[in-house]
Amino acid sequence: QKEVEQNSGPLSVPEGAIASLNCTYSDRGSQSFFWYRQYSGKSPELIMFIYSNGDKEDGRFTAQLNKASQYVSLLIRDSQPSDSATYLCAVSPSGTYKYIFGTGTRLKVLA
Amino acid sequence: DTAVSQTPKYLVTQMGNDKSIKCEQNLGHDTMYWYKQDSKKFLKIMFSYNNKELIINETVPNRFSPKSPDKAHLNLHINSLELGDSAVYFCASSQGDAQGSFFGQGTRLTVV
Repeated sequence: QKEVEQNSGPLSVPEGAIASLNCTYSDRGSQSFFWYRQYSGKSPELIMFIYSNGDKEDGRFTAQLNKASQYVSLLIRDSQPSDSATYLCAVSPSGTYKYIFGTGTRLKVLA
Repeated sequence: DTAVSQTPKYLVTQMGNDKSIKCEQNLGHDTMYWYKQDSKKFLKIMFSYNNKELIINETVPNRFSPKSPDKAHLNLHINSLELGDSAVYFCASSQGDAQGSFFGQGTRLTVV
């Protein structure tokens, strides 16, 4: 089983819709959870992090964490074509100085 | 000012050569990393340094040798380059391991 799993996509949503990206992880000791956005040919960019169960909102982005189900998700409201990118989920087990990445989900927002 | 900068951006070299990639961060972070992103876009950690000390060395061939002269710099030297080393190598930095990491622009290494 991969340590961090994501559906590779592509996930296609119409402009203005909500995009929902999901991630599961295997290490129950993981304490910190991150979402990165990577445009083609560019470096990953940190967009959200979450530590506690529940929701965390930042502008159009909402991260959701359920540690019991070992599940993290990212919701993007009012999706724009500029949101089209690969979204990487990353998990950091406590005290390891290590970020373990999923393979990413490619999002396409259709104008 | 670029927060995490790495050079060169592109590197094309022949098999068997030795090459280095340099990385510098001006964020004051205490931890730096090297990641390899392969053709399938999987981002895998190679090394992690905390306050100049090596703390993570994943199963990377010993042809790869990182060096951290100070907290703001982490270089990667690769000996006897092989075709399979072709990838994008990212340097990153973070403050501890709980706040996310910030990436350099990447070095696209092509071994021919």
